[in-house]
Amino acid sequence: EIVMTQSPATLSVSPGERATLSCRASQSVSSNLAWYQQKPGQAPRLLIYGASIRATGIPARFSGSGSGTEFTLTISILQSEDFAVYYCQQYNNWPTFGQGTKVEIK
Amino acid sequence: EVQLVESGGGLVKPGGSLRLSCAASGFTFSSYSMNWVRQAPGKGLEWVSSISSSSSYIYYADSVKGRFTISRDNAKNSLYLQMNSLRAEDTAVYYCARDLTKYGYVTHDAFDIWGQGTMVTVSS
Repeated sequence: EIVMTQSPATLSVSPGERATLSCRASQSVSSNLAWYQQKPGQAPRLLIYGASIRATGIPARFSGSGSGTEFTLTISILQSEDFAVYYCQQYNNWPTFGQGTKVEIK
Repeated sequence: EVQLVESGGGLVKPGGSLRLSCAASGFTFSSYSMNWVRQAPGKGLEWVSSISSSSSYIYYADSVKGRFTISRDNAKNSLYLQMNSLRAEDTAVYYCARDLTKYGYVTHDAFDIWGQGTMVTVSS
């Protein structure tokens, strides 16, 4: 099983600032990496797939980068609606998710 | 509108059974692999099972293998999860989710459409 490790567990950011979230895979997953956003009581929403491709309807302030074992999700200018939990997922093998990063208001 | 709607959750005793359903609408259901993902209360996401578009390929997480059975009925645009020998650790919200890519390689894709989830509680 490929273990996905996200850091930090919690990120405190002010609205309008940049947020940088990290995701590390225990072995290479190539570019088979997705990012999801989840708000309380809601289902996850796909943000990024293929490590860097924005899903349909996702604002340009969300960007993904990386390949192999190191990945980053960047939210360039945090909006109030961006405070949520973010999960990475690899799909190079049986799907596995990271434990999540909570982006909270500073 | 593309939509997935789960049903069938509830309270069940340890060792009991439950069958979840997921009704799909707004897209050609028979063209996509489908998945079940669960989330225990206050915890992260865990992939449970996947099924290819024609049911030819089926996969399970080790944690549910031998106890859960995934199936689909393309004529009814529906996905199912039969859960037997339930344990307390199976308590979670269960989501059905669609693969991003039409006719993609099952278990090797992101999930672009999710249902709202159905809660399963296993407790005596």
